[in-house]
Amino acid sequence: RKEVEQDPGPFNVPEGATVAFNCTYSNSASQSFFWYRQDCRKEPKLLMSVYSSGNEDGRFTAQLNRASQYISLLIRDSKLSDSATYLCVVSASKIIFGSGTRLSIRP
Amino acid sequence: SAVISQKPSRDICQRGTSLTIQCQVDSQVTMMFWYRQQPGQSLTLIATANQGSEATYESGFVIDKFPISRPNLTFSTLTVSNMSPEDSSIYLCSGDMGGVGTDTQYFGPGTRLTVL
Repeated sequence: RKEVEQDPGPFNVPEGATVAFNCTYSNSASQSFFWYRQDCRKEPKLLMSVYSSGNEDGRFTAQLNRASQYISLLIRDSKLSDSATYLCVVSASKIIFGSGTRLSIRP
Repeated sequence: SAVISQKPSRDICQRGTSLTIQCQVDSQVTMMFWYRQQPGQSLTLIATANQGSEATYESGFVIDKFPISRPNLTFSTLTVSNMSPEDSSIYLCSGDMGGVGTDTQYFGPGTRLTVL
């Protein structure tokens, strides 16, 4: 089992739709959780950290479920500019990147 | 946040040669890392660059193949030695500011390496 697993996608949704990604992790000692965004041929950039209480940043909502060892990312009212690969990142003794979920928003 | 630059941005190299990639951060970072990203794949951590001491390598990566230097808190280099076509990849460095938002990493733009 991979240490961090994500839906590979691709997700192809219309503009304005709501889309959700999940990510599971295997190390119960993991302490820090993040979602990064990577555009094609660009470096990853931090989208948001994920806190136990859940957190929201505009159209983006992240949730952490420690009991089930997964994190989620919800994007509401999706925009064309949201098209990218979304990387789940989990940190315990070291930082592990998921393989990413590709999202494509169509007009 | 931190701004990280890398050079070269890309290179095409011959088999058997070596390439050194430089990573410069505009502010002091506690941790610096080197990653490799194959086309269509996620990031694989090569090593943690430690200031003033030997880098800490992940399983599958060795110092002879990927020597790393970190002479101060804002600069690091990664050398890809005795290259083969299998080393063709994007190499990214990152920095971790530590403290608030620990583990938040800022990435350089990457070095796209092609080995012929």
